[in-house]
Amino acid sequence: NAGVTQTPKFQVLKTGQSMTLQCAQDMNHEYMSWYRQDPGMGLRLIHYSVGAGITDQGEVPNGYNVSRSTTEDFPLRLLSAAPSQTSVYFCASSYKGTGIWTEAFFGQGTRLTVV
Amino acid sequence: KNQVEQSPQSLIILEGKNCTLQCNYTVSPFSNLRWYKQDTGRGPVSLTIMTFSENTKSNGRYTATLDADTKQSSLHITASQLSDSASYICVVSPGSNYKLTFGKGTLLTVNP
Repeated sequence: NAGVTQTPKFQVLKTGQSMTLQCAQDMNHEYMSWYRQDPGMGLRLIHYSVGAGITDQGEVPNGYNVSRSTTEDFPLRLLSAAPSQTSVYFCASSYKGTGIWTEAFFGQGTRLTVV
Repeated sequence: KNQVEQSPQSLIILEGKNCTLQCNYTVSPFSNLRWYKQDTGRGPVSLTIMTFSENTKSNGRYTATLDADTKQSSLHITASQLSDSASYICVVSPGSNYKLTFGKGTLLTVNP
């Protein structure tokens, strides 16, 4: 099992450009999510999905879109990149065990710089 | 407002020494508390997950404690190694994974 795979690892964008951060998991987890991590702050939830075809907004969704057409993939789209979106992005997945959700399994992160 | 406060912000210890990291939370409702280890440039990796009925949980040299009454948790690292140098993040869940509250982490440096 590869776990949670994110691509690319690094990306530099110009203000106004769009791009898609890819996330794939091979553990058949129903739940997937995107976080951003900024210096001095805890991870913040951008969007999440509880299954194929179902997505919802997290704490900081503005400027980002997601879709979930398959269980395995959960891409994050930046519509028009802004310097405020410079951050490290993490994708995570998990499943519901006996009564509670399991710990989240994180990808290696995508370091995005918007200039 | 749900909050998770970790202390200290950073800690430097010598290899072989023990240390304890603290986590206080105000998340409600409460379902479980997790400790993650995040190496520089990597994603967080789960160390332990505890429900409100568990007081102590160990994972090798890592031992987490939970006091659900005082809403405090600690992570004790025994006989530290250089590879323990990382950020340790406390995460509290109210029962669903889309409502996790993350602490800012404690940056631990283990020196030889």
